[in-house]
Amino acid sequence: DSGVTQTPKHLITATGQRVTLRCSPRSGDLSVYWYQQSLDQGLQFLIQYYNGEERAKGNILERFSAQQFPDLHSELNLSSLELGDSALYFCASSVGPANSPLHFGNGTRLTVT
Amino acid sequence: GQQVMQIPQYQHVQEGEDFTTYCNSSTTLSNIQWYKQRPGGHPVFLIQLVKSGEVKKQKRLTFQFGEAKKNSSLHITATQTTDVGTYFCAAPNAGGTSYGKLTFGQGTILTVHP
Repeated sequence: DSGVTQTPKHLITATGQRVTLRCSPRSGDLSVYWYQQSLDQGLQFLIQYYNGEERAKGNILERFSAQQFPDLHSELNLSSLELGDSALYFCASSVGPANSPLHFGNGTRLTVT
Repeated sequence: GQQVMQIPQYQHVQEGEDFTTYCNSSTTLSNIQWYKQRPGGHPVFLIQLVKSGEVKKQKRLTFQFGEAKKNSSLHITATQTTDVGTYFCAAPNAGGTSYGKLTFGQGTILTVHP
């Protein structure tokens, strides 16, 4: 158990809809990362927050947004969903803002129909 | 941005054979991390290498960081069926607005035949 909690585990929704994925980092970790993993694909970095502030941004679509709250949990919002957004979304946390090992949650599997 | 190229993409071995995956960068890395993702699971941190020429071992796994800090390798001796999974290297951005962003290689999918 990594200590990182992601909910929900599975999400099935229709195109055009909006969903919110939730992540609680490991106790003591201040950084939260979001990654997207499509079938047979690697881990694509979306965004990182450190202690409530956006730290780094990847190729995150404008339809996607995220935030980290004062209690350090994070949410990833995906809107106007398309079939191609179907993927496994991982949250990871680390102690520091950089160069620290990442601890991944179990992921949220999103299926857009 | 930071890119790390990982080869091979796939590796099929017989149980007991050795396995090696390689990670290469065009730029000097401050450190490199290795992760393992079992089928249906999430990536799990294995190790971090920081020093030039560093070699670390974890039982049958040997990790190396190149002298120029631009490449790294993971070698598994005498593979077992429990070694099945995808092995990723990951490297942080050196600086700028994406400092801290951890970029993952494409991964090497290891299959072990009993």
